[in-house]
Amino acid sequence: ETGVTQSPTHLIKTRGQQVTLRCSSQSGHNTVSWYQQALGQGPQFIFQYYREEENGRGNFPPRFSGLQFPNYSSELNVNALELDDSALYLCASSPRRQSTGELFFGEGSRLTVL
Amino acid sequence: SQQGEEDPQALSIQEGENATMNCSYKTSINNLQWYRQNSGRGLVHLILIRSNEREKHSGRLRVTLDTSKKSSSLLITASRAADTASYFCATDAGTGANNLFFGTGTRLTVIP
Repeated sequence: ETGVTQSPTHLIKTRGQQVTLRCSSQSGHNTVSWYQQALGQGPQFIFQYYREEENGRGNFPPRFSGLQFPNYSSELNVNALELDDSALYLCASSPRRQSTGELFFGEGSRLTVL
Repeated sequence: SQQGEEDPQALSIQEGENATMNCSYKTSINNLQWYRQNSGRGLVHLILIRSNEREKHSGRLRVTLDTSKKSSSLLITASRAADTASYFCATDAGTGANNLFFGTGTRLTVIP
């Protein structure tokens, strides 16, 4: 059974640029959630994708967008990067849409915005 | 804002001692989960307790939940150096999505 994998692991961007982060969900999982974790803080929910549609969104602006593909992998896109976007971005998958059980997290993509 | 708040923010103990971390939250929940994170890496699920449960055990872990006080505690018995990590409680938002509210975490250091 393959776990959740994310790429890239680290990347550096400059303010105003755009970034795409990728996530492959665990085998058999059809739901992917994305979280942002700033340094020294707990993760914050960005949004969730279920069957290729956004199914829940946290308090993040529209420049944070995503996609889910038929194989349940997902992308997180962030446009017009700001310094405060520097964080660890975590992808989590689950076999169901609602939080009735655990989430399986990837190792994250650490984004630094200069 | 984050719903859960862990206490203490940091905890340092000797190997073999027990570690207790507390979590408080603000609104009604369906369940509460505890996760562990090693030094800026991914989170690993430890245990889930439902709102109608008061106590749950898993190996060296013991979790309690007091919904009247909106609080939970995580006890790690006979700690090991490998338990050194950050521990987060997470509550569900009841929105129908996997929207978990995480606290700021407790940084546990176990000294060999």
